[in-house]
Amino acid sequence: DAKTTQPPSMDCAEGRAANLPCNHSTISGNEYVYWYRQIHSQGPQYIIHGLKNNETNEMASLIITEDRKSSTLILPHATLRDTAVYYCIVRGDDYKLSFGAGTTVTVRA
Amino acid sequence: GAGVSQSPSNKVTEKGKDVELRCDPISGHTALYWYRQSLGQGLEFLIYFQGNSAPDKSGLPSDRFSAERTGGSVSTLTIQRTQQEDSAVYLCASTQTGPKRSPLHFGNGTRLTVT
Repeated sequence: DAKTTQPPSMDCAEGRAANLPCNHSTISGNEYVYWYRQIHSQGPQYIIHGLKNNETNEMASLIITEDRKSSTLILPHATLRDTAVYYCIVRGDDYKLSFGAGTTVTVRA
Repeated sequence: GAGVSQSPSNKVTEKGKDVELRCDPISGHTALYWYRQSLGQGLEFLIYFQGNSAPDKSGLPSDRFSAERTGGSVSTLTIQRTQQEDSAVYLCASTQTGPKRSPLHFGNGTRLTVT
C-alpha cells in the first residue's frame, strides 16, 4: 500500500520557488518524512527529513502540517539543475525505504 | 568526504552468464542496502545488511540472486545465469543507524544490460 501521494509532475520557472506537495494521511507518530530526488542516471540524493517541526538546510525547506498528514518541500530558488524526480517517503521503525513514483519536476528557463 | 562507490558503472553481459556487482559504502556506515531500478520504474528493495546480524533477503527476486558483505564493509551482489529481465540499474546505499534514523546515501548504481 502506498504511504504517500504526490502529483506525477509539475513545472517550475527558473529562479522561482518550487513547492512540492505530499500527502501522508496515514502517517503514525514515530514515522519521519523524508525527501529524496533522482537526477537522470544518478542514484537518489537525500534532501531533507523531519518528524514534526519544519526543517531547513542548504538544499531545501520542509514544511509539515500540524496534523502531520501532509508536507511540502520548498526549493527556494529553482535552477535548471533541480530538474529531477522527487520522492516523498514515510519511514518508521522499518529500516526499508519504499519509493513510490514521485513527482517529476521540470524547471524551465 | 567519499560517498558510496559502486563498480562497474556499466556492465553488459550475455544471457546465462554470472555477474558480480560491487559496493563500497561510506566508511563507518553499519547498514547497507541493495535496490534495483528497472527502466522508468521506482526502486525495488533487494537486501539489507546491518552489522553482524543476519541479512534481510526478503526482496531478492529469485535464488539466482545472492549478496554478501565481507568484514562489515564492502558488499557484492551476485546474479547467476542472468536473464534479460535482470537488466536494470542496481543501486547500493549505506547509512549509520541510530535513533534519528539517519538518511540512506546512495551510489550512482551499476547499469546491467543482459543481451
